[in-house]
Amino acid sequence: YDLTQPPSVSVAPGQTARITCGGNNIGSKSVHWYQQKSGQAPVVVVYDDGDRPSGLPDRFSGSKSGNTATLTITRVEVGDEADYYCQVWDSSSHHPYVFAPGTEVTVL
Amino acid sequence: QVQLQESGPGLVKPSQTLSLTCTVSGASIREGDYYWSWIRQVPGKGLEWIGYIYNSGSTYYNPSLKSRVVISLDTSKNHFSLNLTSVTAADTAVYFCAREQRDWGIPVFDPWGQGTLVTVSS
Repeated sequence: YDLTQPPSVSVAPGQTARITCGGNNIGSKSVHWYQQKSGQAPVVVVYDDGDRPSGLPDRFSGSKSGNTATLTITRVEVGDEADYYCQVWDSSSHHPYVFAPGTEVTVL
Repeated sequence: QVQLQESGPGLVKPSQTLSLTCTVSGASIREGDYYWSWIRQVPGKGLEWIGYIYNSGSTYYNPSLKSRVVISLDTSKNHFSLNLTSVTAADTAVYFCAREQRDWGIPVFDPWGQGTLVTVSS
């Protein structure tokens, strides 16, 4: 199962960043988003399509439509600069955990 | 607060076995509905799930690595381990351990260790 993400997204501080994740029939699967800052471990920022772990700012949100999931970061801050990965969980698959290639978000 | 820390050799020769350990603090790996996982990241590339072990000892592996992977549990030391046999340069990567938790109703990798770089080279 293959997932696609744009390699990079650039955004100015205070603006909105949208990162897409495409996959066949992604609407039937659960999608999580991880943030990985340089040299650090990934951290989940959105799980199960659109839920946020407690303590995460509401500037991070997730949605799905058709074959695309989207992570939206509003009021972008310099500290949001990181790689973002979507991950799909498919309980019916022999390979239930698939990660997309990742998107590098640069804050200009 | 649960924390995970990987340890093991940073350099492995081709055809040999890569062995890493993940030590868990702040929780017992014997308890709870958690799956203890290994994930790797080839430098400059994306993430690849390797496999997991449950506290019962049952395991599940990525089909593409299954023939070379063994994950084991040592509850007395509160750690779990990864063995990857017959390594090649393609196995050079940062290896992360992570807890797959279902407290939110769905499997999510949280938290992760800091990761350890393993280079396969003679």
